[in-house]
Amino acid sequence: DQQVKQNSPSLSVQEGRISILNCDYTNSMFDYFLWYKKYPAEGPTFLISISSIKDKNEDGRFTVFLNKSAKHLSLHIVPSQPGDSAVYFCAARGSSNDYKLSFGAGTTVTVRA
Amino acid sequence: SQTIHQWPATLVQPVGSPLSLECTVEGTSNPNLYWYRQAAGRGLQLLFYSVGIGQISSEVPQNLSASRPQDRQFILSSKKLLLSDSGFYLCAWGRGPVNYEQYFGPGTRLTVT
Repeated sequence: DQQVKQNSPSLSVQEGRISILNCDYTNSMFDYFLWYKKYPAEGPTFLISISSIKDKNEDGRFTVFLNKSAKHLSLHIVPSQPGDSAVYFCAARGSSNDYKLSFGAGTTVTVRA
Repeated sequence: SQTIHQWPATLVQPVGSPLSLECTVEGTSNPNLYWYRQAAGRGLQLLFYSVGIGQISSEVPQNLSASRPQDRQFILSSKKLLLSDSGFYLCAWGRGPVNYEQYFGPGTRLTVT
């Protein structure tokens, strides 16, 4: 059962504009959320995270928003750059005893020049 | 700083042949270690994780097994490969439960023919 869902398999955005990636989850026990970026034939790299006690976390061009009541989070990339073209995975973790992450299926972002 | 290595980078194996993929981590001690698989066009599926030497937890019943003979070494094996074992295999390490991030290796592209 997919507990983390990224319902948009792809996103195309013009360079300089905002990219918004969405992620929904079903498990109310999740209390920490992460975004990873992955280029083809490479391992994912950690991008940004947010704890459930916060509703926003910002790091440079990347901002993650969390809406716990809706079980929804989003990643904003502003401004989008050609190097941002990659697959983005949303991940979530449960209680502090849980060593595992649950990943979404990923969203492929293409930044057009 | 911490570094994670995986080899080989690519592998083509016939059906029924054995498999051994190796992962090592440098620059940290007693890490949690993980094996994931990314099938074509799909997300990251957790296969095995380990919180210590000789401690292996299996997430998905399948044709694969894992071992952790040393603190920073994690091995993924199979006695007889199936066509369905083809995919991109990723090793990751983490510090959980306090720190939630996992850090991935470069991956191994396995094609079973």
